Amino acid sequence: SQQGEEDPQALSIQEGENATMNCSYKTSINNLQWYRQNSGRGLVHLILIRSNEREKHSGRLRVTLDTSKKSSSLLITASRAADTASYFCATDTGRRALTFGSGTRLQVQP
Amino acid sequence: NAGVMQNPRHLVRRRGQEARLRCSPMKGHSHVYWYRQLPEEGLKFMVYLQKENIIDESGMPKERFSAEFPKEGPSILRIQQVVRGDSAAYFCASSPADEAFFGQGTRLTVV
Repeated sequence: SQQGEEDPQALSIQEGENATMNCSYKTSINNLQWYRQNSGRGLVHLILIRSNEREKHSGRLRVTLDTSKKSSSLLITASRAADTASYFCATDTGRRALTFGSGTRLQVQP
Repeated sequence: NAGVMQNPRHLVRRRGQEARLRCSPMKGHSHVYWYRQLPEEGLKFMVYLQKENIIDESGMPKERFSAEFPKEGPSILRIQQVVRGDSAAYFCASSPADEAFFGQGTRLTVV
């Protein structure tokens, strides 16, 4: 199975609600990154958290990392319709190449 | 500073033809990565290159696929004798260090 696995696979919420996505991985990592992909488009880098960090914030985004559980979460607060996209976690194990999960498809209803 | 540029954005090839996908990294970035994405799936690593060197090609199929990043010009991902299963979105990323910046991708359709 994959290094990174997102949960849930799909999430539908109302505008203004918070969205939480989880990612689990199997091997030791240097860092973990979250990306957003709008339908049919390229990936946009959201946030990078290193293995020695536990939490990071960027605007309405909050990422946590628990290396003992090999898991990370992405929280989007006060969601907007424009947040509708697929969200992927990707792990860097030191090879520099990223290993992606299969993504969470977020739908924010206006 | 333009982002990572990929061309073409869309490419249609008949079975047996060759596909050439180009990627120009961001200015100052010497690391280039190619990934493939099948519908409804995440990206799968194919190859990591630096100028004139293949660093890691562990994700690249052994046959029909090749990649290069010459001293001058863009990185090229070449697929010979394409088959229907090669239909996918191919993304290129470049980085100066840890953070990778992705292009908009090339969507290859094999008919």
